[in-house]
Amino acid sequence: GNSVTQMEGPVTLSEEAFLTINCTYTATGYPSLFWYVQYPGEGLQLLLKATKADDKGSNKGFEATYRKETTSFHLEKGSVQVSDSAVYFCVLRQGAQKLVFGQGTRLTINP
Amino acid sequence: EAGVAQSPRYKIIEKRQSVAFWCNPISGHATLYWYQQILGQGPKLLIQFQNNGVVDDSQLPKDRFSAERLKGVDSTLKIQPAKLEDSAVYLCASSSLNRDRVRGSNEQFFGPGTRLTVL
Repeated sequence: GNSVTQMEGPVTLSEEAFLTINCTYTATGYPSLFWYVQYPGEGLQLLLKATKADDKGSNKGFEATYRKETTSFHLEKGSVQVSDSAVYFCVLRQGAQKLVFGQGTRLTINP
Repeated sequence: EAGVAQSPRYKIIEKRQSVAFWCNPISGHATLYWYQQILGQGPKLLIQFQNNGVVDDSQLPKDRFSAERLKGVDSTLKIQPAKLEDSAVYLCASSSLNRDRVRGSNEQFFGPGTRLTVL
């Protein structure tokens, strides 16, 4: 079946460091891929998405490129801030709206 | 625009007791989802409603879990009787996508969740 594997956390970085959170997926066909973020005390929010191979999703300085050849959708940010501290989920959707989540990666940014 | 509302935010019960969660989706959203998020894992879909009909309940443990969306708006999720392994955050989400997929967006908007602890 469809599945998503994310880099295990927690991840702790200093402010302005470069961030990469790895994500790989297993799916038949051509799923859509997403990153969701969960800030402390808040609900899950869509961060960015890509719906076909080689698409790049971006938002709030974060980027991820849909790589079909490596079945990956790694999340990157060039310079993280304390406010980026949150739990990040890599997600795929195939068929009618059913989201499949990775296990989540907790990110902490220290000033 | 108001977001997805859930209540209660926290609930502590003993095993074998019953519990119910309530969700009010974003106004006008046709599709409503309930997810279970166990600590350290990603959310898992329990049930999906389209208006007041069930689209997918394949991962709902039907011997103890039930859900309804009688008027196609609010929804309740019930657990009866609860087990220790039901301790989790229960998330509700909604999207505006209709069954014909012509109107609306399939982006899902999530509520803050209800944290259930079963002792």
